[in-house]
Amino acid sequence: ETGVTQTPRHLVMGMTNKKSLKCEQHLGHNAMYWYKQSAKKPLELMFVYNFKEQTENNSVPSRFSPECPNSSHLFLHLHTLQPEDSALYLCASSQGTGTGHFFGPGTRLTVL
Amino acid sequence: AQTVTQSQPEMSVQEAETVTLSCTYDTSESDYYLFWYKQPPSRQMILVIRQEAYKQQNATENRFSVNFQKAAKSFSLKISDSQLGDAAMYFCAYRSNQGGSEKLVFGKGTKLTVNP
Repeated sequence: ETGVTQTPRHLVMGMTNKKSLKCEQHLGHNAMYWYKQSAKKPLELMFVYNFKEQTENNSVPSRFSPECPNSSHLFLHLHTLQPEDSALYLCASSQGTGTGHFFGPGTRLTVL
Repeated sequence: AQTVTQSQPEMSVQEAETVTLSCTYDTSESDYYLFWYKQPPSRQMILVIRQEAYKQQNATENRFSVNFQKAAKSFSLKISDSQLGDAAMYFCAYRSNQGGSEKLVFGKGTKLTVNP
């Protein structure tokens, strides 16, 4: 596979469930990101990882827990979410040289 | 903090015509990057075009070009010879050149409809 992949593509979960989103990049990039995309709002940066180290947490609630075991993989662990957390969650990677982000297809999350 | 404003929530264009999408931004920095991204319905977001602030020449990529006005903090996207496949959400984004990671600030997007 090439580019940035995300699984699952769709996820429906209850407020008491625990689930994880997975992102993998095959581009050899150094940085990975989680964004939240809600209707009528700009993309919101959630977390940034540079060389596996978290460099930014944009005041994200603790019910979202990121994990970056290596430069190619990024996870977002979810627990006790709220209905307002329903959104498209986008993963991206970049080389950090001003060339821009490469985005994955996203995970459409619905919290019941 | 930087902000990006896209004042046109929706735009439409006839196939083969030209359309311009607006974007303004606010920053106190002099060195940065600007991007336009395209997100087709239910499909992946892709980079359309990129502009480095220190370059005066406007970037072009085939039918896509930008009008970069640094003093006015304006970065519009022109799509020439519009095609049905150009229908998508278009997002303008700003990237500071300070720091190591490419943290982007996005506008709210413009939904472009292409009419046959």
